[in-house]
Amino acid sequence: GDSVTQMEGPVTLSEEAFLTINCTYTATGYPSLFWYVQYPGEGLQLLLKATKADDKGSNKGFEATYRKETTSFHLEKGSVQVSDSAVYFCALGGSNYKLTFGKGTLLTVNP
Amino acid sequence: KAGVTQTPRYLIKTRGQQVTLSCSPISGHRSVSWYQQTPGQGLQFLFEYFSETQRNKGNFPGRFSGRQFSNSRSEMNVSTLELGDSALYLCASSLGHRDTNTGELFFGEGSRLTVL
Repeated sequence: GDSVTQMEGPVTLSEEAFLTINCTYTATGYPSLFWYVQYPGEGLQLLLKATKADDKGSNKGFEATYRKETTSFHLEKGSVQVSDSAVYFCALGGSNYKLTFGKGTLLTVNP
Repeated sequence: KAGVTQTPRYLIKTRGQQVTLSCSPISGHRSVSWYQQTPGQGLQFLFEYFSETQRNKGNFPGRFSGRQFSNSRSEMNVSTLELGDSALYLCASSLGHRDTNTGELFFGEGSRLTVL
């Protein structure tokens, strides 16, 4: 079945540091890939998405590229801010009407 | 446009009781999904409904059930509650097109259930 593996962290960075959160997946067919973010006490919000190989999703300075050859969708940001502190989830969507999520990565950014 | 609304936001139950959670999707969205979030298991898929039909169900016991109404609102029910059912239950809605990969889901803030 479908599965997503992401680095679990927690990850602690200083403001303006570079961020990478690794995500790899296993799926049949050609899934869509997503990064969701969850701020404390809130539900999940879509951060970015890519629907086919080599697509790059980007939003709020975050980027991720759909790499079919390495089955990866790593999240990157060049300069993190304190306000980026949250839990980040990598997810894939197949043709079965559900998203499969990774375990989540807690990011803490210190001033 | 109003987001996904879940009620109640917080509730406390005791073992053996049952609970019903409600979800109102974004206007125009016909698909509603439910997920259970726990620290140990992360986000686990419960079920998905589209136009009152369940299209997929996760690996949960029969104590977990759901339904969707003609106005796309959805409810989920957990009977004979166990301590392990304590979790954040998240509802998500989407347009729910057929024959395409599952697309972007819009999540509510969740219903936090504590079972004592």
